[in-house]
Amino acid sequence: GAGVSQSPSNKVTEKGKDVELRCDPISGHTALYWYRQSLGQGLEFLIYFQGNSAPDKSGLPSDRFSAERTGGSVSTLTIQRTQQEDSAVYLCASSSRRGRGTEAFFGQGTRLTVV
Amino acid sequence: TQLLEQSPQFLSIQEGENLTVYCNSSSVFSSLQWYRQEPGEGPVLLVTVVTGGEVKKLKRLTFQFGDARKDSSLHITAAQPGDTGLYLCAGTDWQAGTALIFGKGTTLSVSS
Repeated sequence: GAGVSQSPSNKVTEKGKDVELRCDPISGHTALYWYRQSLGQGLEFLIYFQGNSAPDKSGLPSDRFSAERTGGSVSTLTIQRTQQEDSAVYLCASSSRRGRGTEAFFGQGTRLTVV
Repeated sequence: TQLLEQSPQFLSIQEGENLTVYCNSSSVFSSLQWYRQEPGEGPVLLVTVVTGGEVKKLKRLTFQFGDARKDSSLHITAAQPGDTGLYLCAGTDWQAGTALIFGKGTTLSVSS
């Protein structure tokens, strides 16, 4: 596809269940980001993958959150034992290069609701 | 940890008014970006500034990067209802390889 694709677009899960969110970045983009956004708020940084470097996991809010990026392309964000405070829109972005002025292209997000 | 503070958080104005949104940090950034987000969509890049003191114009929008590369402003002249949305500033220190960090955003509502 031409843009960043995220799936599912909506996910409703019961408290305590595990969920997996998927991101397909733009082909050839070496950088991939995950953010979390609560209603009407800014983007909370979660994790950053850049090429073959070790990911920057400094934004993950707890050890229930983890992410992988396979083959430098598709990424999966996993939330274990979901809590109600995990409800938010999870946004993925990719960019083509590291350096000044790199544009991040975003997917439309996955809206996660924990009931 | 790099942080970006945006102000104001909310802004509600009439069509034709001017406004300025601010983005401040105690950290130096190698570049600052402004994004606009509409409901149900991901943010879309408006502009990138990379040089201290740089000013860029995009139609009725004027962006400025502070001389010390710690702050930026977005000025909109003669706002229109189509300008309504969430405006986000974002910064990175590419030399340090840091992630792209966002401010909390400014929600702008322009009524006709």
